[in-house]
Amino acid sequence: EDKVVQSPLSLVVHEGDTVTLNCSYEVTNFRSLLWYKQEKKAPTFLFMLTSSGIEKKSGRLSSILDKKELFSILNITATQTGDSAIYLCAVNKYSGAGSYQLTFGKGTKLSVIP
Amino acid sequence: DTGVSQDPRHKITKRGQNVTFRCDPISEHNRLYWYRQTLGQGPEFLTYFQNEAQLEKSRLLSDRFSAERPKGSFSTLEIQRTEQGDSAMYLCASSPPGTGVNQPQHFGDGTRLSIL
Repeated sequence: EDKVVQSPLSLVVHEGDTVTLNCSYEVTNFRSLLWYKQEKKAPTFLFMLTSSGIEKKSGRLSSILDKKELFSILNITATQTGDSAIYLCAVNKYSGAGSYQLTFGKGTKLSVIP
Repeated sequence: DTGVSQDPRHKITKRGQNVTFRCDPISEHNRLYWYRQTLGQGPEFLTYFQNEAQLEKSRLLSDRFSAERPKGSFSTLEIQRTEQGDSAMYLCASSPPGTGVNQPQHFGDGTRLSIL
């Protein structure tokens, strides 16, 4: 059975701290790994990773994938209160007959306090 | 550039009633997905459309659930004879044509269903 496991499940940090969120997976027919940020509504797309060792960056956020060890990390430097959200890791798999689907982890709830 | 639009935003209904949700994907996105999310969990895949064809349905999609995308544009998800366990956020996502690996899914704000 496909599995995506995120850790920690929740995290409380002070503004300015750096955090690392973890995602490990066991998914057949892997195609890519995605990170989303979810505040009160829709998950918002952050990164998509398809190749090992290539870091993706967007401002204070960065992410990298290790396809050999089957994990990814999401780093946030100099955290701000606006970073408070649930961060979801999802693996895109090919499930046959032209069909793709995302398998999500439970998410990491990040709280940044002033 | 409008995002994925879902309607209604909230739905409260009594157990046993039927409900229908609508999703309008991003323009020119031919792939459309439905997910269900409960508190403390990540979204779970329900079903996938490519154009008007429903190519995959999860085991989670019992026979009380049906989804359509008649003209390959908007989609509807209907739940018949609702049960308490159907209370959840129903999310719709879409992605553009091309190989699935290169196209991230973009989500709507969801429809929150509460069963009394």
